[in-house]
Amino acid sequence: GESVGLHLPTLSVQEGDNSIINCAYSNSASDYFIWYKQESGKGPQFIIDIRSNMDKRQGQRVTVLLNKTVKHLSLQIAATQPGDSAVYFCAENLGTNAGKSTFGDGTTLTVKP
Amino acid sequence: DAGVTQSPTHLIKTRGQQVTLRCSPKSGHDTVSWYQQALGQGPQFIFQYYEEEERQRGNFPDRFSGHQFPNYSSELNVNALLLGDSALYLCASSGRDRVRAFFGQGTRLTVV
Repeated sequence: GESVGLHLPTLSVQEGDNSIINCAYSNSASDYFIWYKQESGKGPQFIIDIRSNMDKRQGQRVTVLLNKTVKHLSLQIAATQPGDSAVYFCAENLGTNAGKSTFGDGTTLTVKP
Repeated sequence: DAGVTQSPTHLIKTRGQQVTLRCSPKSGHDTVSWYQQALGQGPQFIFQYYEEEERQRGNFPDRFSGHQFPNYSSELNVNALLLGDSALYLCASSGRDRVRAFFGQGTRLTVV
């Protein structure tokens, strides 16, 4: 069945370093992938998305890479800041209905000053 | 723009009771989705409403039901509460294209 998983439940980086958060997905039919950031006491916040017909997409300080051959997704955060500390989720969608996503279990990113 | 608002923020209920959670979507949005997030896990899709009808449903029992009103706001009802229903319940709203979902801060439900 559908599942989205993250390789590591926790990641600790130094402020200013780059962070890479990985995600493996199992449903090759997924069309649309989203990365969310969830801070304590808040709901998930959209970071960046990518369609299945793309390999890479860049935003402000973030890049998402999609490797459909091995069903792997990654989120790269450049120059990580203390405000980036949060739980990061990847989510997959069949079609572009972002309201019906399958989420992984999340990676907790801790940024050390 | 107030964004997605949920009420109440916290709630404590006893096993067997019923609960109603409320969600107001972001201005201009007509689609509301509900998710359950257990501690330490990712959100799980419960169902999605638009045009006042349930359009998509995840793997949740019939104890979970919902409603959408003409103003696009929504309610999530859970009957015969179980201890395992304790979780953060998230509402997300989308526009007509449903490409982007915006989440509320959630309602923390504790069943004792």
